[in-house]
Amino acid sequence: DAKTTQPNSMESNEEEPVHLPCNHSTISGTDYIHWYRQLPSQGPEYVIHGLTSNVNNRMASLAIAEDRKSSTLILHRATLRDAAVYYCILGDNNAGNMLTFGGGTRLMVKP
Amino acid sequence: NAGVTQTPKFRILKIGQSMTLQCTQDMNHNYMYWYRQDPGMGLKLIYYSVGAGITDKGEVPNGYNVSRSTTEDFPLRLELAAPSQTSVYFCASSFQDQRTGELFFGEGSRLTVL
Repeated sequence: DAKTTQPNSMESNEEEPVHLPCNHSTISGTDYIHWYRQLPSQGPEYVIHGLTSNVNNRMASLAIAEDRKSSTLILHRATLRDAAVYYCILGDNNAGNMLTFGGGTRLMVKP
Repeated sequence: NAGVTQTPKFRILKIGQSMTLQCTQDMNHNYMYWYRQDPGMGLKLIYYSVGAGITDKGEVPNGYNVSRSTTEDFPLRLELAAPSQTSVYFCASSFQDQRTGELFFGEGSRLTVL
């Protein structure tokens, strides 16, 4: 199964942009890149996903490297409510189209 | 829309007891899933269903059973509860398969087996 590597934790200041990195060097051509986040004591929440091109939505932007071996989730202006664990996951054909949630990056936002 | 609703939110079981975690969704999604999340860890897939009458095993199915008699409901049955099944259980649904679509999660059911 294609895997992702994320830092265990990151810190950010409130109202500043946050760039959350993800490496996926074994990604295949048909694997989608998904980001979910999990706020404390809640279920995971969809953030964004993409295949090749950069993607934007109301929550965040997803920047995908040209070789697709890495991607970055961008929160344009962090708020205290963005403190969560962020999961970068590959939608892998070889995994029966199932997403495998790893450890994720714990984002802490300082006021 | 309520989205994905799980009951109960909390439950304590004794070793050897059985119980059913309920999950219902009102989005008419074909795909439904059960995950467990142990403290400090990511989610692991227990069972999933691609439509009414169809279920399949995920990564950690032992000790659990599921059924999918309707599109809306996907209950998870624990037989002979063991301490290793102490976890938070999440139900999720999606319109498309996970590879291309968006998952919607319930709020979770926290289960403790003593």
